[in-house]
Amino acid sequence: DAKTTQPNSMESNEEEPVHLPCNHSTISGTDYIHWYRQLPSQGPEYVIHGLTSNVNNRMASLAIAEDRKSSTLILHRATLRDAAVYYCILRDLYNQGGKLIFGQGTELSVKP
Amino acid sequence: EAQVTQNPRYLITVTGKKLTVTCSQNMNHEYMSWYRQDPGLGLRQIYYSMNVEVTDKGDVPEGYKVSRKEKRNFPLILESPSPNQTSLYFCASSLRGASFMNTEAFFGQGTRLTVV
Repeated sequence: DAKTTQPNSMESNEEEPVHLPCNHSTISGTDYIHWYRQLPSQGPEYVIHGLTSNVNNRMASLAIAEDRKSSTLILHRATLRDAAVYYCILRDLYNQGGKLIFGQGTELSVKP
Repeated sequence: EAQVTQNPRYLITVTGKKLTVTCSQNMNHEYMSWYRQDPGLGLRQIYYSMNVEVTDKGDVPEGYKVSRKEKRNFPLILESPSPNQTSLYFCASSLRGASFMNTEAFFGQGTRLTVV
């Protein structure tokens, strides 16, 4: 299984941008990069995903390195509600039908 | 509203007493799966299903069974629960097909199971 490496924890101030890094040096050409987050006492929630190009949606932006060996999830203005564990995941069609392989994630805390 | 619904949300049971955790989705998704979440071990896949009547083992299938008789439902069955199956369980669903990897997965709210 292709693995991802993320910092265990990060801190941010409210209303400031947050850059959450992820390394995935063994990524294959068919792996999509997915980000999910898990708020306290809730199930994981989809944030964003991409293959090669940078992606934007209403929640966040995803910046993917040119060699695809790393990516960064960008929250443009952190709010208290963004405090969660963020998971960077590689989704591979050829691995058990595309299961999501969760690592330990990055626990993001947001200070008022 | 698109959602994955699990029941019950909380369950305390005794060793050996068969139980079923239900999972239902309203998005006509082909792919469904079960995960368990344990401190220090993260989320691990138990079983998955690519479509009706098609199921397969995930990473930690021992002690669990599943069935997929209808597209919307994917129950998790513990025939003889043991204390080491005390955990937080999540059901998930998503589309499959050519653009499978290019879609998001939806998760239920979780079922906290305690086996004493």
